[in-house]
Amino acid sequence: AQRVTQPEKLLSVFKGAPVELKCNYSYSGSPELFWYVQYSRQRLQLLLRHISRESIKGFTADLNKGETSFHLKKPFAQEEDSAMYYCALSGRSGTYKYIFGTGTRLKVLA
Amino acid sequence: GAGVSQTPSNKVTEKGKYVELRCDPISGHTALYWYRQSLGQGPEFLIYFQGTGAADDSGLPNDRFFAVRPEGSVSTLKIQRTERGDSAVYLCASSINRDPNTGELFFGEGSRLTVL
Repeated sequence: AQRVTQPEKLLSVFKGAPVELKCNYSYSGSPELFWYVQYSRQRLQLLLRHISRESIKGFTADLNKGETSFHLKKPFAQEEDSAMYYCALSGRSGTYKYIFGTGTRLKVLA
Repeated sequence: GAGVSQTPSNKVTEKGKYVELRCDPISGHTALYWYRQSLGQGPEFLIYFQGTGAADDSGLPNDRFFAVRPEGSVSTLKIQRTERGDSAVYLCASSINRDPNTGELFFGEGSRLTVL
């Protein structure tokens, strides 16, 4: 079955500390993975996609097919990074039919 | 407005009633998606439209749920005989590009449905 697992509901770190938000997936095929973010009182929005291998707002995520993981990392957390983060898998290639994880709330403490 | 617009933002209804939720996508966006987000969960796919037709409605939980997009723009999600388990935030999203690897899905603020 296709599934996305985010094991942490809440992650608290101090400003300047490294951050890693975990995401594991189960998918029989070539996965297309994404991270979405929802800041307080804002809409859900795309943060990054694995195929672009990009760094957005200092965040990166590497697809590890051996470990079936797509963890989101940032070397130095900022207070403005506090938000809800969702890992998502495209369940049907060429569409936005996503399978989302349950999300991790990141709190960056001053 | 420039973004995806959803109305109502909040709807409280009684068990057994009929509900309609409306989505106004970004102008020119041909792809339109509905998701449902229950408390403590991630968004769950319901249905998507490419133009006027439902390209994939496999996420609709049962036949009480129905969605239309008659002119390829505004969409309405209809729920008959509402149940308490239907309580959730219903998210609409649209995109001009069909490929998530190159495009982006833009979400609305959601319609929060509470069934008493």
